[in-house]
Amino acid sequence: SQKIEQNSEALNIQEGKTATLTCNYTNYSPAYLQWYRQDPGRGPVFLLLIRENEKEKRKERLKVTFDTTLKQSLFHITASQPADSATYLCAPMNSGYSTLTFGKGTMLLVSP
Amino acid sequence: DTGVSQNPRHKITKRGQNVTFRCDPISEHNRLYWYRQTLGQGPEFLTYFQNEAQLEKSRLLSDRFSAERPKGSFSTLEIQRTEQGDSAMYLCASSPDWREAFTEAFFGQGTRLTVV
Repeated sequence: SQKIEQNSEALNIQEGKTATLTCNYTNYSPAYLQWYRQDPGRGPVFLLLIRENEKEKRKERLKVTFDTTLKQSLFHITASQPADSATYLCAPMNSGYSTLTFGKGTMLLVSP
Repeated sequence: DTGVSQNPRHKITKRGQNVTFRCDPISEHNRLYWYRQTLGQGPEFLTYFQNEAQLEKSRLLSDRFSAERPKGSFSTLEIQRTEQGDSAMYLCASSPDWREAFTEAFFGQGTRLTVV
């Protein structure tokens, strides 16, 4: 069966450091992989999308990598800020598949 | 457009009662999704509409759950004979048709259901 694994424990880092979150998947052949941010009591908000033929994608302080051989995506936040504290969800998506399926998410806590 | 709107934001109901939630998607989006989320978990897919057609349902969607999207606009999710295990956040999302161009899904704020 398809499985999406994200770090189950919260990631605690200090302000200014780089946060790295991991998303591993099995039994997917994703054409795309998305990352979303979710704050407590709110719906997820889209951050970045990376395609299977892209190794890396950047947006401001965010960077996503996508290794289809390792079946893994890494999500980096550089120069992290307390406002980056949230839960981050990954969602691999097979080409043409209509359902967006999420991992459990990793909670990031950035302390001042 | 103000984004995806869900009502009510919170609902407390007694076990055994029926509840109905409403989702108003972004107007030009023809895809609409329902998810359920419990504490510490990611959103779990329930069902999905392409315009008014319900194209996929999760095994999570028991016989007590039904969703509609009349005329391909707003959608309702009804839970009959609620159980305490139904307590969760119910999220709605909408997106354009991904067969045309892939873009993100836009989520509403969710409806928090508590069954007592």
